[in-house]
Amino acid sequence: DAKTTQPNSMESNEEEPVHLPCNHSTISGTDYIHWYRQLPSQGPEYVIHGLTSNVNNRMASLAIAEDRKSSTLILHRATLRDAAVYYCILRDGTGANSKLTFGKGITLSVRP
Amino acid sequence: DAGITQSPRYKITETGRQVTLMCHQTWSHSYMFWYRQDLGHGLRLIYYSAAADITDKGEVPDGYVVSRSKTENFPLTLESATRSQTSVYFCASRSAGGYEQYFGPGTRLTVT
Repeated sequence: DAKTTQPNSMESNEEEPVHLPCNHSTISGTDYIHWYRQLPSQGPEYVIHGLTSNVNNRMASLAIAEDRKSSTLILHRATLRDAAVYYCILRDGTGANSKLTFGKGITLSVRP
Repeated sequence: DAGITQSPRYKITETGRQVTLMCHQTWSHSYMFWYRQDLGHGLRLIYYSAAADITDKGEVPDGYVVSRSKTENFPLTLESATRSQTSVYFCASRSAGGYEQYFGPGTRLTVT
């Protein structure tokens, strides 16, 4: 499975935008880029996913580099509730049995 | 209640005992997964199931047994618990053609 690389941690201020980077230089053409987050003492939850084009939803935006070797999760206005571990994961879109492989993620701290 | 539930939420057991962790989902999702989460390792896949009576090993299956006689249930059994199996266990489910994986709240297991 293709691997992703994320910084260990990042800090942000409340109500400011946050850009969480992810490198995936060995991504294959059929790999989707997924982001999940895990709030303290909870199970992970889906945030967003994409293949080639940038994506927006109510939670966040996903910006994907033209060569697809990196991506950035954008939280437009961080809140204290966004403090969590964010996982960038590649998942092969061709196989129904394809699975999510979690790395260590990036721990986001939000300052009031 | 709709969704994915796990029971018990907390369990303390002794080395050598058999313990079963339960997972139940109400969406009739085809796919179900068991992960364990330990400090320093992130989430690791133990077993997964593509449908009732179809199961397969994940990254760390040793010491665990699963079954899936009904679509909605996916129990995980530790046949003879060891201290190294002290962890937080998460169950998840996903529809066959879906992209979003839904996680349960987790079971914190301590083996003494």
